[in-house]
Amino acid sequence: QVQLVESGGGVVQRGGSLRLSCVASGLPFRAYNMHWVRQAPGKGLEWVAFVRYDGSNELYVDSVKGRFTISRDNSKNTLDLQMNSLIPEDTAVYYCAKDQGGGWHGSFFENWGQGTLVIVSS
Amino acid sequence: SYVLTQTPSVSVAPGQTASITCGGSNIGSKSVSWYQQKPGQAPVLVIYHDSVRPSGIPERFSASNAGNTATLTINRVAAGDEADYYCQVWDIRTDHSEGVFGGGTKVTVL
Repeated sequence: QVQLVESGGGVVQRGGSLRLSCVASGLPFRAYNMHWVRQAPGKGLEWVAFVRYDGSNELYVDSVKGRFTISRDNSKNTLDLQMNSLIPEDTAVYYCAKDQGGGWHGSFFENWGQGTLVIVSS
Repeated sequence: SYVLTQTPSVSVAPGQTASITCGGSNIGSKSVSWYQQKPGQAPVLVIYHDSVRPSGIPERFSASNAGNTATLTINRVAAGDEADYYCQVWDIRTDHSEGVFGGGTKVTVL
């Protein structure tokens, strides 16, 4: 079955950087669009970033544009999120999520990892 | 940006029906998905394309979408259905598109 395993979370100071990774198994990774979704402590879900199956389209929520970069390596079945200029408001559990298809835009989140916690201290 | 509005909480007795609404401008023209999230766990997809259940999701879960409101209905509610439920759409515009979640509804089984 589909497995998504995130890593790379931790504690970082304001202005710092962190790189999250997600390893996928049990699926033809190169065929699916992928996302990062986050959840601040005690809060709801927030979509963060999207990358098309072949890397041809990237989308970001406005609050992270210019600071975060999503990327993927289809040869290694990995999805990354490079996070720069971190602020306390970025504190959240970050989930890697598989889209249901390979369209130009995202659609819905068919499978989720267990998440990795990022804490940005002020 | 597009906004989805959910009632923060719903309480229901075991065996009864829970209805969770998700409001958005002309949401009936969009494809709505629903997710269940239990404490300390990752979300799980329970409905996609407005009313389709993924394999493994009980038939007790159903949904509809029309006009400005999408609705998730849980029939014969059980203690194990206690969770947060989120609606979600993909908002496509001429110069941008993004994923949008509702604020979530906490379902409490009395």
